[in-house]
Amino acid sequence: GAGVSQSPSNKVTEKGKDVELRCDPISGHTALYWYRQSLGQGLEFLIYFQGNSAPDKSGLPSDRFSAERTGGSVSTLTIQRTQQEDSAVYLCASSLFGIRGTEAFFGQGTRLTVV
Amino acid sequence: KNQVEQSPQSLIILEGKNCTLQCNYTVSPFSNLRWYKQDTGRGPVSLTIMTFSENTKSNGRYTATLDADTKQSSLHITASQLSDSASYICVVSAWTDSWGKLQFGAGTQVVVTP
Repeated sequence: GAGVSQSPSNKVTEKGKDVELRCDPISGHTALYWYRQSLGQGLEFLIYFQGNSAPDKSGLPSDRFSAERTGGSVSTLTIQRTQQEDSAVYLCASSLFGIRGTEAFFGQGTRLTVV
Repeated sequence: KNQVEQSPQSLIILEGKNCTLQCNYTVSPFSNLRWYKQDTGRGPVSLTIMTFSENTKSNGRYTATLDADTKQSSLHITASQLSDSASYICVVSAWTDSWGKLQFGAGTQVVVTP
């Protein structure tokens, strides 16, 4: 596609339920990132995929969070047993190489609300 | 503690006027600094990126400056338009950061009124 696509745009879920957020990066981009944006806060790094290397998961806030990237393309961020503090906008970005040296392009985000 | 601080948190300006946003950082060793514009409900879009040796960079009506000695950057918006209403985010990376671990400021919310 022309840009990074995320789905769903909005998700309302009950506390304790599991949710899956999807990211479709720009074709050919080897690097993919997940960030979380809470109201009034800066973006918080969650996880980074680069090609076939083991992902950098150091930003995941708890073991309820996991992510995978299948076939080096689409990525899914899964949050198990959601809590109210998980409510935020989850942003995905991709870049041709690692973000430090090249430009990253962001999706529109998924707004997650846990009630 | 956030290593990237932005000010003001928000501001309202009249259409056609200029404004300047500030970014102070403590990230070290400095690699580059970016300014992003984030419209409501959209992902951030890059405006400028500056490395250590660059003092200023322009993108249309947006001009970013960088003082790596004082660790300060500013984003100047000239002749503001209604479409400039957005959050402006300062992002800094260090050479020691692993890929993807950029330091994001909380952003300055700009509202341009007619």
